[in-house]
Amino acid sequence: QQQVKQSPQSLIVQKGGISIINCAYENTAFDYFPWYQQFPGKGPALLIAIRPDVSEKKEGRFTISFNKSAKQFSLHIMDSQPGDSATYFCAASPGSSNTGKLIFGQGTTLQVKP
Amino acid sequence: NAGVTQTPKFRILKIGQSMTLQCTQDMNHNYMYWYRQDPGMGLKLIYYSVGAGITDKGEVPNGYNVSRSTTEDFPLRLELAAPSQTSVYFCASRGSNTGELFFGEGSRLTVL
Repeated sequence: QQQVKQSPQSLIVQKGGISIINCAYENTAFDYFPWYQQFPGKGPALLIAIRPDVSEKKEGRFTISFNKSAKQFSLHIMDSQPGDSATYFCAASPGSSNTGKLIFGQGTTLQVKP
Repeated sequence: NAGVTQTPKFRILKIGQSMTLQCTQDMNHNYMYWYRQDPGMGLKLIYYSVGAGITDKGEVPNGYNVSRSTTEDFPLRLELAAPSQTSVYFCASRGSNTGELFFGEGSRLTVL
């Protein structure tokens, strides 16, 4: 299966709260799991990425948690700010070749209320 | 740095018309991709290229064609436009030693 399933579709969080977005995959050959952030009218931009040899990666307020046995990974945004309001996409890259193709999740629209 | 540049930003087509979406990158990246974005569907890969002269189909190639005559340019051709091709199209590129995709700002296409 070449799908990545993302939830929730939309999320509303109060300023200072924690935003959590989840993704699940089936293909055990996936070996690269990035998260992209997209603001309205712009293209997606890489936010943070992880490979399956680690269970967690943190960059500032953004953390990826990775559960290889469950084939799930999630994005946690600590101390969420109104400027974090955007659409977030998880993705996975099939490791069978080096073409760099990404399979994207359906996206989550995050709104952080002041 | 310009990065990945897409033109046009907006276009309205009539059913059956054809057009080309232009994409150029100035980062000397070998890998280039075309995605389409539809609400609630994420981004779907249309075509990709691993270098000049080499292209391959992605998940949703029907109704589209691409070419890659130079490292910099990767145009996407729509033949016989259909309402199902109404979407936002993104071009992206990637260097050889990184997994990061750099996206353009998108081309919004409406087929009426």
